[in-house]
Amino acid sequence: DAGVIQSPRHEVTEMGQEVTLRCKPISGHDYLFWYRQTMMRGLELLIYFNNNVPIDDSGMPEDRFSAKMPNASFSTLKIQPSEPRDSAVYFCASSLSGSSNEQFFGPGTRLTVL
Amino acid sequence: DAKTTQPPSMDCAEGRAANLPCNHSTISGNEYVYWYRQIHSQGPQYIIHGLKNNETNEMASLIITEDRKSSTLILPHATLRDTAVYYCIVRPQGYNKLIFGAGTRLAVHP
Repeated sequence: DAGVIQSPRHEVTEMGQEVTLRCKPISGHDYLFWYRQTMMRGLELLIYFNNNVPIDDSGMPEDRFSAKMPNASFSTLKIQPSEPRDSAVYFCASSLSGSSNEQFFGPGTRLTVL
Repeated sequence: DAKTTQPPSMDCAEGRAANLPCNHSTISGNEYVYWYRQIHSQGPQYIIHGLKNNETNEMASLIITEDRKSSTLILPHATLRDTAVYYCIVRPQGYNKLIFGAGTRLAVHP
C-alpha cells in the first residue's frame, strides 16, 4: 500500500489566490482527517470525515476554509482567498474504525502564502 | 479530553534505552493512552497505545502505572533515527479525534 498520498508537496502562492490541497486516503479506510501544523500553534485538527461525511469541522479557522470528500478515495481542502497567516504544513490522515483507531498520516503539504 | 504533561526535551545516548514520561492525572476510566512520534518534516507516526496493562510491540514498550495517572514510553535501544518529537495523547474509546500537545523533543546522540 502506498500510504496516504498528498499533493502538492509544496505550494507557494500569493495572498488572495485560491489554494487547493489534495489527499488520497489508504484504501478501505473510513475516516479522513485534515490537520494543520505551525510553529506557534502546533498540530491542530481542522476537520474529519467518516464515510465521506463531515463529522466535526470545529477546527476550521474561518469561512475561507472548506473541505470536501466526494468519494472514499479523495478529499480536498480549499482556502479562498489565502492569507499569509495560512502558511503552514497541512497533513491528511486516514484510519479504519476499530479498536485501535490508529491514524496514518501523509507526508504533508507545505503551504507558503506570500 | 484529559490533559497530558510531558517534558519539553530529553537526550539519550545511542544504544541506550530512552524512557519518555507522561503525566495524565485526570484520565478517565475509558480513556486510552496513545503515543505518536513525528520525525522532522514527516507526518506523525503511531507508536503504541494501551488502557491499563503494559503493552509492547516491535517499536516500543508502554508502561502505565496502576493508578493510570502516568505512563512511560520505552525505546529499548535508541538509534539516531529515533530523534523526533514524541506525543502522548489520551483518548476515550471510540473517540476519533487526536488532540496533540507540545510533546517531548527527543535527541539521540552518538
